[in-house]
Amino acid sequence: NAGVTQTPKFQVLKTGQSMTLQCAQDMNHEYMSWYRQDPGMGLRLIHYSVGAGITDQGEVPNGYNVSRSTTEDFPLRLLSAAPSQTSVYFCASSYSRVVPQHFGDGTRLSIL
Amino acid sequence: GIQVEQSPPDLILQEGANSTLRCNFSDSVNNLQWFHQNPWGQLINLFYIPSGTKQNGRLSATTVATERYSLLYISSSQTTDSGVYFCAVHRGSQGNLIFGKGTKLSVKP
Repeated sequence: NAGVTQTPKFQVLKTGQSMTLQCAQDMNHEYMSWYRQDPGMGLRLIHYSVGAGITDQGEVPNGYNVSRSTTEDFPLRLLSAAPSQTSVYFCASSYSRVVPQHFGDGTRLSIL
Repeated sequence: GIQVEQSPPDLILQEGANSTLRCNFSDSVNNLQWFHQNPWGQLINLFYIPSGTKQNGRLSATTVATERYSLLYISSSQTTDSGVYFCAVHRGSQGNLIFGKGTKLSVKP
């Protein structure tokens, strides 16, 4: 049981490049979310999903796309990277909305 | 939207000291979690505590939902307790968390 797995752990991009951050969970959780953490801040919600085929926007969705084709995977896509997207990205999952959320170890992303 | 405020923002302790971290929230919530972010950046679940009191070793937490606050107690602090402690709440139907800005704890040997 690996929990929530995020890849890669570190990534450096140039402005304008695109990439996909991967998130996978093996706990059969319906709820999955992406958060970003900026220095001195708590985490802010980017996008979330309440089940396969269902996604919605969070607090800071601009510049990011998501899809949920399976229960296990919830990738986050940066379409055209900007320096303002330099951050640490966390993926989380939970069985339902009223139980604890489990977090991955994060992806540290730098955009030059 | 709901506001989550944590205090103090920074805390420096000598090893062995006790501390209390506070989390205030501006509206009723369905869920409240305390996390510890260690120096490697990992987020560790400490407590899921929408109400009441829980204890886990040297750590305990109390949430008074009617008064919209939660407290995290750390007793006999150790250097490994250093890091940032986040309170996060959730309300509504989507299950997503709203985080406070955290309390940065430094425990000196």
